[in-house]
Amino acid sequence: IAGITQAPTSQILAAGRRMTLRCTQDMRHNAMYWYRQDLGLGLRLIHYSNTAGTTGKGEVPDGYSVSRANTDDFPLTLASAVPSQTSVYFCASSPFPLAGYNEQFFGPGTRLTVL
Amino acid sequence: AQSVAQPEDQVNVAEGNPLTVKCTYSVSGNPYLFWYVQYPNRGLQFLLKYITGDNLVKGSYGFEAEFNKSQTSFHLKKPSALVSDSALYFCAVRDMFDTGRRALTFGSGTRLQVQP
Repeated sequence: IAGITQAPTSQILAAGRRMTLRCTQDMRHNAMYWYRQDLGLGLRLIHYSNTAGTTGKGEVPDGYSVSRANTDDFPLTLASAVPSQTSVYFCASSPFPLAGYNEQFFGPGTRLTVL
Repeated sequence: AQSVAQPEDQVNVAEGNPLTVKCTYSVSGNPYLFWYVQYPNRGLQFLLKYITGDNLVKGSYGFEAEFNKSQTSFHLKKPSALVSDSALYFCAVRDMFDTGRRALTFGSGTRLQVQP
């Protein structure tokens, strides 16, 4: 089934630990995004990638890094997790980034708790 | 900068009644506007979008939204609510002049509760 998969589904992590959230899409979309969802704040963009090999910073990039080695995968890494990074993380993708009106498709999310 | 406001944290409506979920936006240029729905423990699902043309946009599950440029609003509507419409709804905007990130800015979300 075409779509976006995220792993893990949920994770409890000790502060200071390194963690990589995985995201894979099979729709051959050029653009991919990472958002975090926090109560009362909606979704905030962490990092984005308009095409394989390029990445950019969103609204809340501090403490996170991404890479885009190929079209399908867009992992998000927390180098040293802190409790304020407790959130639900969503990966999204979109076709044709030059046409900005295309909707984004979202993965099921990863619920991360940092203690 | 672009921004979205959803002034209501929660909207309650009886099944069979019409519903409205409000959204206002701010962009430098012309907006691309979207509505998404999120069911518990799920990702966001696309409902509808406004790009250009007719101000009334029809989307999935009987939802529609009306673009009002003078009021900078994009309210989501449905003529007859269903219990199964109960979910979290997000409005989002992208400024057509944003040629960099090309990402959406989301509102804080409105929880719709439809009572049987």
